[in-house]
Amino acid sequence: NAGVTQTPKFRILKIGQSMTLQCAQDMNHNYMYWYRQDPGMGLKLIYYSVGAGITDKGEVPNGYNVSRSTTEDFPLRLELAAPSQTSVYFCASSYTRGVKYFGPGTRLLVL
Amino acid sequence: AQTVTQSQPEMSVQEAETVTLSCTYDTSESNYYLFWYKQPPSRQMILVIRQEAYKQQNATENRFSVNFQKAAKSFSLKISDSQLGDTAMYFCAFMKGGSSNTGKLIFGQGTTLQVKP
Repeated sequence: NAGVTQTPKFRILKIGQSMTLQCAQDMNHNYMYWYRQDPGMGLKLIYYSVGAGITDKGEVPNGYNVSRSTTEDFPLRLELAAPSQTSVYFCASSYTRGVKYFGPGTRLLVL
Repeated sequence: AQTVTQSQPEMSVQEAETVTLSCTYDTSESNYYLFWYKQPPSRQMILVIRQEAYKQQNATENRFSVNFQKAAKSFSLKISDSQLGDTAMYFCAFMKGGSSNTGKLIFGQGTTLQVKP
């Protein structure tokens, strides 16, 4: 199993550009999550999904959108990138609501 | 709303010594879980240990153990026989339990631990 994979690993965006951060898991997990980690801080939940077709907002959803059309994939869309979205983004999944498997992260720099 | 607080931004310990990282949390829930995650320089999030609130016995995983004080809402992590590979940022995290739980984790700010040779 590859576990949780994220692409790209690093990206530089210009202010106002858009992009999609990809997340995929091959463990047939129902629950998937997007977190962001600002420098020297803990992770904050952006969006989560409890199954295909079901998504909901976390603590910091503004400026982001998600979709969950399949069990495996949970992409995060940034529209009109802003410097405040400079962060490291982590995707995570779990079979139940318990132990999370985290991806390696995507580092995003908005200039 | 639940909050998690780690009051030690940075700590250091000599190799082979013991260190304790502090975590306090605030919740009105009676059913919940607590976790410690390790984040080495690679940035990978690694689960270190997990504690169910309904269990009185403190969780242990090899050199890692917790001191769970439910009444005081305290959840500290003890690392024994510290190794250079323990150098990392450590996060305390809270998760609600029960049927309405969606698995969302609430993280503390983190403690950077340096193990010195």
